[in-house]
Amino acid sequence: QVQLQESGPGLVKPSETLSLTCSVSGGSFSSYYWSWIRQPAGKGLEWIGRMYNSGNTNYNPTLKSRVTMSLDTSKKKFSLKLSSVTAADTAFYYCARESYSSSSWYFDYWGQGTLVTVSS
Amino acid sequence: QSVLTQPPSASGTPGQRVTISCSGSSSNIGSNYVCWYQQLPGTAPKLLIYTNNQRPSGVPDRFSGSKSGTSASLAISGLRAEDEADYYCAAWDDSLSGYVFGTGTKVTVL
Repeated sequence: QVQLQESGPGLVKPSETLSLTCSVSGGSFSSYYWSWIRQPAGKGLEWIGRMYNSGNTNYNPTLKSRVTMSLDTSKKKFSLKLSSVTAADTAFYYCARESYSSSSWYFDYWGQGTLVTVSS
Repeated sequence: QSVLTQPPSASGTPGQRVTISCSGSSSNIGSNYVCWYQQLPGTAPKLLIYTNNQRPSGVPDRFSGSKSGTSASLAISGLRAEDEADYYCAAWDDSLSGYVFGTGTKVTVL
């Protein structure tokens, strides 16, 4: 049974860097993309970016200048850093595994999500 | 920053069929596969449909997906109380080199 668990500070000050980690258990870490997705309370989903274990990354163009993702394959963890945060970055942050089948990729496992609030 | 457009709400009585549309463009739905996710209140999204019309193991066959051109649809037949949730479509966008999600549709069982 694959499980993903986000962890990190729930409160970040404006202009600082948001840092989150996703721990993966119960499955392989290779041959998948690992993504971050966020959702402001009461609003829709926004894809932040993804990383493959080869180091290949794709980032949302609107966030690209502020986003850094990394993988620790040995520990089965992947991380998100979002710099220069503002109140607009307040949201639930989800990590998700992206699998490939039937010629397409899709998010098949999600973490439970963690709320990050940007406030002084 | 949603690029895929969905109706904000849909509703039906138990047993009815409900359909949710997802409208995109040639750079996303028109050239890539569509997925659908169900988000029950207070929980993380869950994969419902992938590759336009495939159901993961455990998803009831009451849920079905289709795609035509730059639009996709999710149908829920035999609507049940536990289907009350938010539903999102998603697709890769070649112009953005990233995923785009739909605006989301809240399904209410009357």
